[in-house]
Amino acid sequence: DSGVTQTPKHLITATGQRVTLRCSPRSGDLSVYWYQQSLDQGLQFLIQYYNGEERAKGNILERFSAQQFPDLHSELNLSSLELGDSALYFCASSVETSGRNEQFFGPGTRLTVL
Amino acid sequence: GDSVTQMEGPVTLSEEAFLTINCTYTATGYPSLFWYVQYPGEGLQLLLKATKADDKGSNKGFEATYRKETTSFHLEKGSVQVSDSAVYFCALSDSSGNTGKLIFGQGTTLQVKP
Repeated sequence: DSGVTQTPKHLITATGQRVTLRCSPRSGDLSVYWYQQSLDQGLQFLIQYYNGEERAKGNILERFSAQQFPDLHSELNLSSLELGDSALYFCASSVETSGRNEQFFGPGTRLTVL
Repeated sequence: GDSVTQMEGPVTLSEEAFLTINCTYTATGYPSLFWYVQYPGEGLQLLLKATKADDKGSNKGFEATYRKETTSFHLEKGSVQVSDSAVYFCALSDSSGNTGKLIFGQGTTLQVKP
């Protein structure tokens, strides 16, 4: 158990819908990262927050947005869903923002868009 | 930009065989290098890391050395077990700025047969 929790574990929805994925980082970790794992794209970085502020952005679509709240939990919002958005979405956390720090990964949310 | 290339899998070995999974990287700065492991149905776990050239990371019998001259970070284990069957990801931390985002290779599936 990494200490990072993600809900829900599975999500099945239809094209055009909007969903929210939730992540609670390990106690004491200020940095939260979101990654997408799909068969064709592999594991890709989406976005990073540090202590409530956006720190880095990767290949995140404009239909996707995220935020980190004062209690440090984070939410990833996916809207106007398409079939290609079906993937495993991981949240990870680390103590700070340095690249030397280990990131602890949650179990992931599997999103299926029908 | 930075990138990671891993040997393609799947890799199938008999128990107690020697394991090597090749990983090479391209980076403009001085990234940290990581190996993560993903067991079926689980999130990623850090296996080992190295933060500077010539560092050797090791854990659970696995080891990898940060080779700047060959831009490589190959994973090795002297004697694999059935329980080592998993997907292995080589990753580097972003070398361009003060973010911790990880760039992953495509992953290598290891299957160990008794």
